[in-house]
Amino acid sequence: DIVMTQSPDSLAVSLGERATINCKSSQSVLYRSNNKNYLAWYQQKPGQPPKLLIYWASTRESGVPDRFSGSGSGTDFTLTISSLQAGDVAVYYCQQSYTTPRTFGQGTKVEIK
Amino acid sequence: QVQLQESGPRLVKPSETLSLTCTVSGGSITSSYWSWIRQPPGQGLEWIGYIDYTGSTNYNPSLKSRVTISQDTSKNQLFLKVSSVTAADTAVYYCARAEGHNDPFDYWGQGTLVTVSS
Repeated sequence: DIVMTQSPDSLAVSLGERATINCKSSQSVLYRSNNKNYLAWYQQKPGQPPKLLIYWASTRESGVPDRFSGSGSGTDFTLTISSLQAGDVAVYYCQQSYTTPRTFGQGTKVEIK
Repeated sequence: QVQLQESGPRLVKPSETLSLTCTVSGGSITSSYWSWIRQPPGQGLEWIGYIDYTGSTNYNPSLKSRVTISQDTSKNQLFLKVSSVTAADTAVYYCARAEGHNDPFDYWGQGTLVTVSS
């Protein structure tokens, strides 16, 4: 299985400040034939299902605010929230779809400082 | 707009079989890949498996011996069965769609909490 490891487990950021979450995969999720990284980011608020934010490591899902961005390739990825809003308080997960079983990171809880 | 809705018993006794249904509207289950994913209370997400548009299945090896995913295309429904359940199977169970084999999960149901207890 590909193990997805996120860091940190939690972080507290002031409103309007930048939040950065890292995700590392135990093996590359880059599919060389099409140069796509099969890495997605999700946001989960309490009592709700996860919501897709970013796919292919850096493509924003339709309707997702542009303060959310993804970067990275191969085994190391980052989700950045450029200016944290109150509504961004949530747990964020990375997930690989390179192979089965599909696997998720353990989650990173983002709070307001 | 694709919508998914999980349904089924909320309480299952240990050693029995957990059975859930996911009803899909706004899209056909004869296209795309349809997964079951679970989340124990306060914990992270675990992929259980998927059924694709041909009816082929792929299961997480950690659960493979106890899991069956099936579908009824006439009713646009997916089904999950987990046999010989224990308290460790207590979780919110989600169904979710991935448009293509390596695509992310773009549509999710609201989830249903299933508790395993006598």
